[in-house]
This record gives sequence, structure tokens and C-alpha cells, in this order.
Amino acid sequence: EPEVTQTPSHQVTQMGQEVILRCVPISNHLYFYWYRQILGQKVEFLVSFYNNEISEKSEIFDDQFSVERPDGSNFTLKIRSTKLEDSAMYFCASSARRTSYGYTFGSGTRLTVV
Amino acid sequence: GNSVTQMEGPVTLSEEAFLTINCTYTATGYPSLFWYVQYPGEGLQLLLKATKADDKGSNKGFEATYRKETTSFHLEKGSVQVSDSAVYFCALNEETSGSRLTFGEGTQLTVNP
Repeated sequence: EPEVTQTPSHQVTQMGQEVILRCVPISNHLYFYWYRQILGQKVEFLVSFYNNEISEKSEIFDDQFSVERPDGSNFTLKIRSTKLEDSAMYFCASSARRTSYGYTFGSGTRLTVV
Repeated sequence: GNSVTQMEGPVTLSEEAFLTINCTYTATGYPSLFWYVQYPGEGLQLLLKATKADDKGSNKGFEATYRKETTSFHLEKGSVQVSDSAVYFCALNEETSGSRLTFGEGTQLTVNP
């Protein structure tokens, strides 16, 4: 069964450093997403991406965040200057069509900012 | 705005017990409703969905019925197994609000042999 692959599974970074989280969506999917889950809290939407541009973003997705699809297979989330409160599990997802059909999620990257 | 509320967890059951995890929602229109499951060390997997009122989603023995009158989408299973131990998330999408999913808090289920 096709999978969404995320790397690394766990990343530790120092406060103020830039971090890039990587995702390989399912190859024929067109919609890409990032979500995060701070420990003990709800899974929260960050951003959706379609046709090489951001189609929607939440209030969490401020200027510190950016997304990119640098080639035909990868989808990345960059955090420019990490803060302690960025520590969370970050999930990438992709879908072939709009959300009513459900996403396929990756297994997540646990980001720890120290 | 949209929101999803799940019953408080964690839930601990014995094998073959009946499971109900409550989920209620608030939405301005007619959302699609989902249950996702997260097994230890894995990502969120779509378990079942329903896209309109009175639809029943079902998969792997789990069921949930879209109840517009009570704005609910409770997850049920008649006889749970140890392998059902996971975190269960209720979620909604309202397409007029874009493609985002709005999640509930998640409910940890542990099934003991």
C-alpha cells in the first residue's frame, strides 16, 4: 500500500536554529498538508499546498514557517528560527482529491527544541 | 468556527467488550466526518468516514453513524481485540472552509487480554 514517508523520525535542535522536516507524499497525490500535535494537545492544521502554492494556512503558520516542493517528490516544512514551543510531532499528509476522501498521513517527525 | 469534542480518555477495556467513543461536533454547514486511528509508532490512518447525514461509515468491525440532529459521530465496535489498542481521533472537514481537517482531542484505547 502506498505510504507517505517522513524523515527524520526524531529531530533535536537548539532554540534559534533552522530546521527542515522532509516528506515524500504518495506519487499521484496532488494535495499536500502539514499538521502538528503538541504533546497532550489536539492535532492542529498548519498549511495545505496545491499546484505549487499554499492554498490555505492557519494562524499558527506565521512567517517563521515555510513550505516547498523542491522537486517532483519531496515536500518540506522549514522553521526558520525554532522556539521551545515549536516542540511537537509534525505530520505530513497527502490526498488525491479534496478532503472528503480522507488523507494519507505519514508517521510523523518528533521535533524537540532545546 | 468548527470544533470537535471527544469523550475524555483514556479508555481501558477487556478483550471482547463493547466499545463506544463519543464524538460531537460544531460546524456552520454540512461537514464530512472521519475517524482516524494511530497505532503506536505509526501515523494517523483513516479508519472510516461519512459524508452526509445518516451515512454509516464502517471498517474493521468499527462503525459510526452521522447524526445531524445530535451533531454526533460516535465510534462503536461490538467486540474489541488487543490489537485495537491505539489512539482514536474524530475529525471533520467542511469544504466551504477549505481543505483542513479539524480534530478532536484523541482517545487512548487500551484493550487487555
